[in-house]
Amino acid sequence: DAGITQSPRHKVTETGTPVTLRCHQTENHRYMYWYRQDPGHGLRLIHYSYGVKDTDKGEVSDGYSVSRSKTEDFLLTLESATSSQTSVYFCAISDDRGPISNSPLHFGNGTRLTVT
Amino acid sequence: SQKIEQNSEALNIQEGKTATLTCNYTNYSPAYLQWYRQDPGRGPVFLLLIRENEKEKRKERLKVTFDTTLKQSLFHITASQPADSATYLCALEIPGGGADGLTFGKGTHLIIQP
Repeated sequence: DAGITQSPRHKVTETGTPVTLRCHQTENHRYMYWYRQDPGHGLRLIHYSYGVKDTDKGEVSDGYSVSRSKTEDFLLTLESATSSQTSVYFCAISDDRGPISNSPLHFGNGTRLTVT
Repeated sequence: SQKIEQNSEALNIQEGKTATLTCNYTNYSPAYLQWYRQDPGRGPVFLLLIRENEKEKRKERLKVTFDTTLKQSLFHITASQPADSATYLCALEIPGGGADGLTFGKGTHLIIQP
C-alpha cells in the first residue's frame, strides 16, 4: 500500500460537529491528495498539497480545509460536518506531478465517514 | 472541463476469455492516460500508463490501447481469471495539468465468472 495510512478507517459523527481525517505517508513523497468517492460520481479531488504548507483547492473543496505541517502528514478537516459529506475519503500520494510528469498516484485504503 | 465515460454497468465475462473495458473522453486530448484497479473496501491501485504518442502498452496479461482520434482507450485482460474481478478506473492527465490535473472516470465493475 505504498506506505500510506489513513485514520480513522471508519467514523460516524453528527451533523454540525468538526471532523479531522489524517493521512500519514512513509514514502517522503512531495504531493498528497484528498479525494472523496461516491456512487455515481467516482473519485473527486477535494484538496491537494505540493509541499509543506503548500496546498490548493480541488473540484469539490467547499466545506473542507486541509493542513500540511510536515511532509508525512496531510490532514483533512470538515469544520461543520453535513450529511452531504457522508462518503469514502481517500488519500493519495505521488513523488512527481509536475506538468510533464506521469507518475501514478498511490492510494490509502480510505476512511468511511457517516454524518448522521 | 474534461468528461470521462466508462461503462457504468457491470461487465460479466467467462473465465479464460478476454475482457475489454472502454474509456471515452471528451474535449481536449490528455497527455497520458492511466488505468487503476479497485477492490471493495480498498483504494485504487495503479496498473498501467500510456502516453498520447503510444498506441499500445502491455504488462503481463494486460494491454491498453490509446486512440486520440476516437478519444478512446481500451483496457484488455486476456485469459481472464475470477481474481481479476474488480472495478477498473481510467484517469486522464491534461497537458500541463500539474499537481491537480488527474481526472478519474467512475469505473467499470468487471465480474469474471468461473
